[in-house]
Amino acid sequence: ETGVTQTPRHLVMGMTNKKSLKCEQHLGHNAMYWYKQSAKKPLELMFVYSLEERVENNSVPSRFSPECPNSSHLFLHLHTLQPEDSALYLCASSQDWGSSYNSPLHFGNGTRLTVT
Amino acid sequence: EDKVVQSPLSLVVHEGDTVTLNCSYEVTNFRSLLWYKQEKKAPTFLFMLTSSGIEKKSGRLSSILDKKELFSILNITATQTGDSAVYLCAVEAGEETSGSRLTFGEGTQLTVNP
Repeated sequence: ETGVTQTPRHLVMGMTNKKSLKCEQHLGHNAMYWYKQSAKKPLELMFVYSLEERVENNSVPSRFSPECPNSSHLFLHLHTLQPEDSALYLCASSQDWGSSYNSPLHFGNGTRLTVT
Repeated sequence: EDKVVQSPLSLVVHEGDTVTLNCSYEVTNFRSLLWYKQEKKAPTFLFMLTSSGIEKKSGRLSSILDKKELFSILNITATQTGDSAVYLCAVEAGEETSGSRLTFGEGTQLTVNP
């Protein structure tokens, strides 16, 4: 148990589907993150929310849409994805955005996404 | 552009061996270097290093940072099959007045055979 829970664990979707990934953290952290992990590539930061406000959006295609309704929950809404979007999507949280001194990232177990 | 390079990308050893994993970096306004272990799911935090020459140790794992030569090593002694995982290195950088950015390396896949 990492304190960060992601659902679903696995997801297979067609290119015309709409689905959402969910992340919940039970650590009282103020910052939440979405990362994409593709085979043989470094973790890529997608979005950062600090105190429910988006503070970073790393040129992610609009077919990925994040939502942070409160400091404990983070969603990633998916629509009209491409096969190359297949990857492990990791959610993470930290005490505050902007410094690892307070606490390093705590990751969830990820959602393994396959786009057919 | 920040850059983090890990080597080797893949390593296979036998139980009991000692391994050294490498992480080199090129970033602007270095703040810290972090090591994570990923066993097919959530990466888990191992160490955070901010100062050169000070070894961080946890059981059979240890790590040290060289800020002059811009690299870090992660040592694992007396390896066990449970050490099999991907080891990720990440470097945090950025000016004090702004939010930091975290750049990950590709990871080293370590396999420990019985």
